[in-house]
Amino acid sequence: KNEVEQSPQNLTAQEGEFITINCSYSVGISALHWLQQHPGGGIVSLFMLSSGKKKHGRLIATINIQEKHSSLHITASHPRDSAVYICAVRSGEYGNKLVFGAGTILRVKS
Amino acid sequence: DAGITQSPRHKVTETGTPVTLRCHQTENHRYMYWYRQDPGHGLRLIHYSYGVKDTDKGEVSDGYSVSRSKTEDFLLTLESATSSQTSVYFCAISEPYPSVVSYEQYFGPGTRLTVT
Repeated sequence: KNEVEQSPQNLTAQEGEFITINCSYSVGISALHWLQQHPGGGIVSLFMLSSGKKKHGRLIATINIQEKHSSLHITASHPRDSAVYICAVRSGEYGNKLVFGAGTILRVKS
Repeated sequence: DAGITQSPRHKVTETGTPVTLRCHQTENHRYMYWYRQDPGHGLRLIHYSYGVKDTDKGEVSDGYSVSRSKTEDFLLTLESATSSQTSVYFCAISEPYPSVVSYEQYFGPGTRLTVT
């Protein structure tokens, strides 16, 4: 069992839909990261959070520390949002190194 | 974008040959990491460095070695490549945790390695 579980593994949406990607983890953490990987491979950081909620444009990330769960929401989705979204956690249990989920493949159709 | 480059970007090699991948940064970050990315798996840590000549193993270090002789360069060597090492390799950099600046990781563009 992976320490970081993401769901769904694959997601296809129509342009304009509201999208939610979930991340669950099993240990106490100091921070959780959401990353985006576009076709072609480059990986960029979207959010780093340890509590509450962060918003950037149409992207919203939330975390519930007690439930060990985070969600990434995309409002008014667009085909350019098509990418792999990766959740990663940092924990003292892992020597403060990042441990990554397997990613969620998102395709937004026009 | 953080100044991280990887070379080569693509490589095809034969089983049993040595291969060295290079990561170069211009950000003067103390920590550098090598990951591999395979379908169905998250990014997995191979080795990391916390300073010049200071390195440690990650979760999938067997068959790999690293060296860091300068702050800006981190080399990953496959001493004798095997087909199971066919993967996409990513380098990343960060400041140490906790950092007054940020301990976000910044990723290089990746190297696609195929071992035939």
